[in-house]
Amino acid sequence: NAGVTQTPKFRVLKTGQSMTLLCAQDMNHEYMYWYRQDPGMGLRLIHYSVGEGTTAKGEVPDGYNVSRLKKQNFLLGLESAAPSQTSVYFCASTAPFAGYTFGSGTRLTVV
Amino acid sequence: AQTVTQSQPEMSVQEAETVTLSCTYDTSENNYYLFWYKQPPSRQMILVIRQEAYKQQNATENRFSVNFQKAAKSFSLKISDSQLGDTAMYFCAFETGANNLFFGTGTRLTVIP
Repeated sequence: NAGVTQTPKFRVLKTGQSMTLLCAQDMNHEYMYWYRQDPGMGLRLIHYSVGEGTTAKGEVPDGYNVSRLKKQNFLLGLESAAPSQTSVYFCASTAPFAGYTFGSGTRLTVV
Repeated sequence: AQTVTQSQPEMSVQEAETVTLSCTYDTSENNYYLFWYKQPPSRQMILVIRQEAYKQQNATENRFSVNFQKAAKSFSLKISDSQLGDTAMYFCAFETGANNLFFGTGTRLTVIP
């Protein structure tokens, strides 16, 4: 049982480049989330989805877009990467109040 | 505003001893869930224990237990018989709905041999 799988695990981008982070879950969860983790700030919600075809903004959505075309996948896109987006990104999925299952994270560096 | 405060950025404990990590939160909601997550150096976020706010009984999971004080909005984690593998960042979090999981800034715990 893979749980939540994130790809890639590491990436270095140049300022202005674009990329997509992929999150896949095999638990049939309706809810999926993208967080970023920065030193001393805990995890902050970027975007989330409460079901296939739906997305919503979280606490820090600027500079990111998401799509949930299939229930098991949640994509996070950076259209024009900036150094401020250097962070560790976590995807998570859940059934309500069941506790979130997290992926292993993606370390992104924007130079 | 809904916030989670972990006032201990770093803690250490001798192997086999007991340590308590503190967490306070603020919410106007009446129905919510509380969690402790562990993040070892591998970076994986691992659910340690969860507590339903409407339950008075404190949750226990093997060596991990919580002291939940709803009126004081306090949710501390006690780790008994600390092991080297407990070395990690610990995050307190609470959830008021499926789209609202709020995290504290974490406590870095080091277990000393």
